[in-house]
Amino acid sequence: DTEVTQTPKHLVMGMTNKKSLKCEQHMGHRAMYWYKQKAKKPPELMFVYSYEKLSINESVPSRFSPECPNSSLLNLHLHALQPEDSALYLCASKAYDSGTEAFFGQGTRLTVV
Amino acid sequence: DAKTTQPPSMDCAEGRAANLPCNHSTISGNEYVYWYRQIHSQGPQYIIHGLKNNETNEMASLIITEDRKSSTLILPHATLRDTAVYYCIVREDNQGGKLIFGQGTELSVKP
Repeated sequence: DTEVTQTPKHLVMGMTNKKSLKCEQHMGHRAMYWYKQKAKKPPELMFVYSYEKLSINESVPSRFSPECPNSSLLNLHLHALQPEDSALYLCASKAYDSGTEAFFGQGTRLTVV
Repeated sequence: DAKTTQPPSMDCAEGRAANLPCNHSTISGNEYVYWYRQIHSQGPQYIIHGLKNNETNEMASLIITEDRKSSTLILPHATLRDTAVYYCIVREDNQGGKLIFGQGTELSVKP
């Protein structure tokens, strides 16, 4: 199984809502990533988890709260988002072994209204 | 910051080879070159990677110059389904390090 599964595929939320994005992989990868991608732009790194601990936070606003409850799951909790946070949110995972590739999920298309 | 420079767009005729260049003049000795592509609104897909030697797999070939300051991704027989944005990324392959995307090249394969 070389899949990274993201749910939901689409999400519409109001600015006062609280929602969560979920990412799951069963490849035994111990590095997991969240990216944000706006239209016509490359993915931007948000967070990196290494062995279930947050290792990199790219100065992301606190309305985005990541969580890694176990080695297979990665969540992104959303609260009080703004319309400009509407984007494609991508999850990726990678093994720690040298020379191995990262696998990406298909993303969650988030619209904040 | 991204460490690579790619042309913003390229065209290729269907059935012909597509050669996508990437400049990474500041690459260090332990950094790998990775190529990914992203078809519209899908997640990035891994294509190939290399450290020093040229590499080939079922999707593509990767040619890295001897000084490692640039590389070329070759799709030997491009099809319409190869139309995508292609990203060249260099990264140190340590534990859980950053994977930073540059602007990429938008490849259009035309019939």
